[in-house]
Amino acid sequence: KNEVEQSPQNLTAQEGEFITINCSYSVGISALHWLQQHPGGGIVSLFMLSSGKKKHGRLIATINIQEKHSSLHITASHPRDSAVYICAVNLYPGNQFYFGTGTSLTVIP
Amino acid sequence: DGGITQSPKYLFRKEGQNVTLSCEQNLNHDAMYWYRQDPGQGLRLIYYSQIVNDFQKGDIAEGYSVSREKKESFPLTVTSAQKNPTAFYLCASSMVSGQGMLLLLYGYTFGSGTRLTVV
Repeated sequence: KNEVEQSPQNLTAQEGEFITINCSYSVGISALHWLQQHPGGGIVSLFMLSSGKKKHGRLIATINIQEKHSSLHITASHPRDSAVYICAVNLYPGNQFYFGTGTSLTVIP
Repeated sequence: DGGITQSPKYLFRKEGQNVTLSCEQNLNHDAMYWYRQDPGQGLRLIYYSQIVNDFQKGDIAEGYSVSREKKESFPLTVTSAQKNPTAFYLCASSMVSGQGMLLLLYGYTFGSGTRLTVV
């Protein structure tokens, strides 16, 4: 049983396209994180959300607590956005994190 | 600059040998974590520690051991009892605010990972 489901698993886009990655979770959470993992393996935290919407540059993250769903959007995608994007939830109560399997994004010039 | 340092980046060991992966942070974070990543699977929690000299098992602790003698350091030992040790290991840290039902993690930061190959 996977507490966090991401879709799609793999995504290929042309440079400039608008990209959406989805995350659904099945448990009560205190926060949801979007992470970016580059080919070398290092992970960067993009957003931490507990409600509403956050924007950073070309990245937008939204969360709907009632529907237990979050989306990560990338506007005007660029080849440097190519990475694996991972959704992670911080369970409530407690501090256990559960991770999605990731979405592998390739942006073609 | 503050951050988490994992070393080495690549590690090779013979089957049956114990190996220790290093994780050091200078972020003054209270909590530290070890995750394992296998192809096609999400990150899975091995061990975590919220304070010095205390740590808790995660979902897949069997075959691993940790220590937290200093706030800055949380080394992970992969023992010979771990049946499938070849994997990518990630260390993370976070601040901890509140307690019990109001526990909140923030400032979550990952290390760059160690790829362990056991031959």
